[in-house]
Amino acid sequence: LAKTTQPISMDSYEGQEVNITCSHNNIATNDYITWYQQFPSQGPRFIIQGYKTKVTNEVASLFIPADRKSSTLSLPRVSLSDTAVYYCLVGDDSGNTPLVFGKGTRLSVIA
Amino acid sequence: DAGVTQSPTHLIKTRGQQVTLRCSPKSGHDTVSWYQQALGQGPQFIFQYYEEEERQRGNFPDRFSGHQFPNYSSELNVNALLLGDSALYLCASSPRDRLQETQYFGPGTRLLVL
Repeated sequence: LAKTTQPISMDSYEGQEVNITCSHNNIATNDYITWYQQFPSQGPRFIIQGYKTKVTNEVASLFIPADRKSSTLSLPRVSLSDTAVYYCLVGDDSGNTPLVFGKGTRLSVIA
Repeated sequence: DAGVTQSPTHLIKTRGQQVTLRCSPKSGHDTVSWYQQALGQGPQFIFQYYEEEERQRGNFPDRFSGHQFPNYSSELNVNALLLGDSALYLCASSPRDRLQETQYFGPGTRLLVL
């Protein structure tokens, strides 16, 4: 299974755009990139998933370069409620495949 | 539409005891996966149940066992509890026939072993 590397923590002020980069050098051809968000004492919540180029939804954007060895989660204009741990996962897009989580990136949004 | 529910929310046990955690999947989902999340770590896959059978298993000892019922709900059992079993136990559900639908997580059960 492809391993991911992401920063342990990041700080941001409210209203700023936050970009969290994830490295996945050994990504396989059929792997997708998925990001989850987790608040304290809650289960992870799906944010966004992509295979290549750019994906955007109402919560975030995901940028994936052509070589797919990295990806960047972009959160526009963060608020205090975006303080959470963000996990980058790599694997096939089947909902039945066990998810492999790393330690994630702890984002702290400051007023 | 109810999401994934888990019970109890918190639990305190002592070493050597046994514990049972329960999970009800999201409506329309028939596959249940269990994860263990130690403090400061990401969730780790324990096992997955579908059609009342264990289908996939992570690197966890036999002390961890489970069950799935005909209504798709599931139980996680841990025997001979160790201090290191203290963690947040997460249940996630997904639909077997809609492979591209992601897993939905419940709020978890916080287990403390003293």
